[in-house]
Amino acid sequence: GEDVEQSLFLSVREGDSSVINCTYTDSSSTYLYWYKQEPGAGLQLLTYIFSNMDMKQDQRLTVLLNKKDKHLSLRIADTQTGDSAIYFCAESKTGSYIPTFGRGTSLIVHP
Amino acid sequence: DVKVTQSSRYLVKRTGEKVFLECVQDMDHENMFWYRQDPGLGLRLIYFSYDVKMKEKGDIPEGYSVSREKKERFSLILESASTNQTSMYLCASRTGNSGANVLTFGAGSRLTVL
Repeated sequence: GEDVEQSLFLSVREGDSSVINCTYTDSSSTYLYWYKQEPGAGLQLLTYIFSNMDMKQDQRLTVLLNKKDKHLSLRIADTQTGDSAIYFCAESKTGSYIPTFGRGTSLIVHP
Repeated sequence: DVKVTQSSRYLVKRTGEKVFLECVQDMDHENMFWYRQDPGLGLRLIYFSYDVKMKEKGDIPEGYSVSREKKERFSLILESASTNQTSMYLCASRTGNSGANVLTFGAGSRLTVL
C-alpha cells in the first residue's frame, strides 16, 4: 500500500464543514502537513503539526492527529467556494529531507 | 515576499526536442526539488539537490537530468522529450536546517509534448 493515503474527491455545500482525511503508515513520522493547491498554481503550505501534538487550530482550520491510528484530518469550518482546491497530506521524519505526499483530495464546494 | 519562480508556465514541444525547465529561488535555500504532477497520481519526485552541484535521483528519474551550478537555480532537462512526459512540473525548495520539512513551491510549468 501507499505510505500516505487520502480519498481523491470530496464535495460539500457552501457553509458546511469539510473534513479531509489522511492515513499514513510510518509510525516514526515526525511532522504531518497539509498543503493546498488552487487551480493553475503550485502547492502552498496550510499548516503542519508535530507528532507530539493531537490538535492544532488556526482560524477556520482544525487539524486532528490520532497517532495511534496514524490518522490525520483537516477540518474547514464554514467552507467557501474559495476553498475549492486540491488538498495534499504529507509526512516527514527527522533526518529526512523529503516529505512523502498523498495523492491529494479535490475539494469541490457547491452553492 | 520570498518565492520560487518557474520561468515557463506553459510550453509546447515536439517529440525528440531537448527541453529545459528553469527554477530560481530567492530564499538562499540549500535544498531544491523537481516533481511532476499527474491527475490521480499526485506528486512524484524526479530529482532533488541537497546543495550546489549535488543531485540525487528521486522516484522517477528516467528520461530526466538536472543541473545545479548555482545555489539559487535548479534546472530540469528532458534530453529527448516524449509524449509520456506531458505533465505539470513543480519545483520546490526548503532550507537545509533541521526541523519541519516545509517546502516552498513554484507555480508550475505545464509541458505538452506533441
